[in-house]
Amino acid sequence: QSALTQPASVSGSPGQSITISCTGTSSDVGSYNLVSWYQQHPGKAPKLMIYEVSKRPSGVSNRFSGSKSGNTASLTISGLQAEDEADYYCCSYAGSSTFWVFGGGTKLTVL
Amino acid sequence: EVQLVESGGGLVQPGGSLRLSCAASGFTVSSNYMSWVRQAPGKGLEWVSVIYSGGSTYYADSVKGRFTISRHNSKNTLYLQMNSLRAEDTAVYYCARFSTGRDAFDIWGQGTMVTVSS
Repeated sequence: QSALTQPASVSGSPGQSITISCTGTSSDVGSYNLVSWYQQHPGKAPKLMIYEVSKRPSGVSNRFSGSKSGNTASLTISGLQAEDEADYYCCSYAGSSTFWVFGGGTKLTVL
Repeated sequence: EVQLVESGGGLVQPGGSLRLSCAASGFTVSSNYMSWVRQAPGKGLEWVSVIYSGGSTYYADSVKGRFTISRHNSKNTLYLQMNSLRAEDTAVYYCARFSTGRDAFDIWGQGTMVTVSS
């Protein structure tokens, strides 16, 4: 069982927007603005999409955005494209004993 | 080009040992925080271990006392020594650079598969 809770799957049609939630606790997501999101295509390494809750690395489309409220972080993908179909994982710093915790992953299907 | 390349995975019996390597290019391992993250078949990501630039090391409870992270500065390579392996250690093991500027794992290797089975 993963430390952070994500929906197992979400889907949307091209051009639509979807949001993936990531629920933690007051010991991780709720305590630190250190949530990151990773995209993973089948058989590939994870790729950083969002860091520090809402910041995008250079080269990542502005269709990807992040936010946080309380113990829940969210990743929103707008203007869905076929290449967005992948697994998405959230990650949060959880203090100097646990360090980093990940969500169980969400499979995004573009219909 | 900034790159991480893992090696050393394979099939090992329960109770056995294995050492994974992660060769870095385009940046200096010893100047960065470096981690191992694993992914069991069909499962999510799990943080395993980190070595800070200063040399401090930390581990997930699931591997504490069995795994050791280290680095060889002149070879610019990260290692993970895995002892007393269990079936539940079966996973793809990724090495990743943790960017302190971004507080996130910004560079990942392609992963190496470790299978623990008799």
